[in-house]
Amino acid sequence: NAGVTQTPKFQVLKTGQSMTLQCAQDMNHEYMSWYRQDPGMGLRLIHYSVGAGITDQGEVPNGYNVSRSTTEDFPLRLLSAAPSQTSVYFCASSYYRDSSYGYTFGSGTRLTVV
Amino acid sequence: DQQVKQNSPSLSVQEGRISILNCDYTNSMFDYFLWYKKYPAEGPTFLISISSIKDKNEDGRFTVFLNKSAKHLSLHIVPSQPGDSAVYFCAASVDNDMRFGAGTRLTVKP
Repeated sequence: NAGVTQTPKFQVLKTGQSMTLQCAQDMNHEYMSWYRQDPGMGLRLIHYSVGAGITDQGEVPNGYNVSRSTTEDFPLRLLSAAPSQTSVYFCASSYYRDSSYGYTFGSGTRLTVV
Repeated sequence: DQQVKQNSPSLSVQEGRISILNCDYTNSMFDYFLWYKKYPAEGPTFLISISSIKDKNEDGRFTVFLNKSAKHLSLHIVPSQPGDSAVYFCAASVDNDMRFGAGTRLTVKP
């Protein structure tokens, strides 16, 4: 039972490059989301999805795109990387509209943009 | 704007004593409040939650208290153990929009 799997674990990009952070879950969760963690700011919501084909913006969506073609996968795309996007990115999933059980998080992707 | 705030970046406690972690929020629409624990190089793991219609929830050594009038919640860990040393995030949720505080690093000394 893998839970939430994120790849890669580490990545260094040059300014202006694009890349996709992968996220997959095997728990049949409807809800999936992406957060970034920065020092002193906790986790901030980038984008989320309540089911296949449905996505919406969170607190800090600029510079990121998402899509949800299957229940299992929720990739995050950086269109043109900037140093301000240096962060640790976490993918999370849960059963929709049942916050009482909390989210299951992946182990994170540490991204550095130079 | 930060809707969930943890004003203490760190807390140090002796093993066996009580740890009290605090959290304040501004949005009265939040309907669930949660605590997560995070070890280095891992994702946060869910610890305990409380509905906005309750004022206390217990799970073993962990108890969460909610004071809606003050928009304040706290996590009590009794007794504290060295394995509890981690960063604790407070979170609040409405309609699957979950907001997190900046975290409190708890150190439990043997």
